[in-house]
Amino acid sequence: AQKVTQAQTEISVVEKEDVTLDCVYETRDTTYYLFWYKQPPSGELVFLIRRNSFDEQNEISGRYSWNFQKSTSSFNYTITASQVVDSAVYFCALRFNSGGSNYKLTFGKGTLLTVNP
Amino acid sequence: DAGVTQSPTHLIKTRGQQVTLRCSPKSGHDTVSWYQQALGQGPQFIFQYYEEEERQRGNFPDRFSGHQFPNYSSELNVNALLLGDSALYLCASSNGQGAGKTQYFGPGTRLLVL
Repeated sequence: AQKVTQAQTEISVVEKEDVTLDCVYETRDTTYYLFWYKQPPSGELVFLIRRNSFDEQNEISGRYSWNFQKSTSSFNYTITASQVVDSAVYFCALRFNSGGSNYKLTFGKGTLLTVNP
Repeated sequence: DAGVTQSPTHLIKTRGQQVTLRCSPKSGHDTVSWYQQALGQGPQFIFQYYEEEERQRGNFPDRFSGHQFPNYSSELNVNALLLGDSALYLCASSNGQGAGKTQYFGPGTRLLVL
């Protein structure tokens, strides 16, 4: 079975602080995909990044970076110099390709990030 | 480039009633998935449609059914509504079914069952 754990339920920081959102996943498959989504108060899930299990290269996009480590089954998301606009619920999700017809995303429970001015 | 759209945005129903939610996928996408998100939880997969057929189903009862039309739009139907069906219902579309395909989500329909 596949599972995603986001142990941090809520995080509160002050603007300009750096913050890391943790994501730990479980899967027995060798081919799988990891995703991060952002959900602002409006409710729409916004896609942030996708990583496949064969690409452990870290990703940096401006203030945002992702650290994928297969050895620890983690795919963490770091926001540098956080801003109020970063406030949202962040979801990590897993999808695997077992050769069968598994098409669903399995989500973690999410981390509510509040960035205070 | 239009994103995923859903209607209605909000809905209030009473127990036992039936509801239909609608979704139009992102331009160029042919696969639609539906998710239920209870308050404070992550989205839970309901089912996915591709080529007008239900391809996979999550752990939801038969009261939840769907349909996909030739233009790739989709409907989610819920019969005999229960209080526990109150949630945000999200539609996601992708270009194909593969596990590596990114799903793009709509704004959701907030359903309240009284």
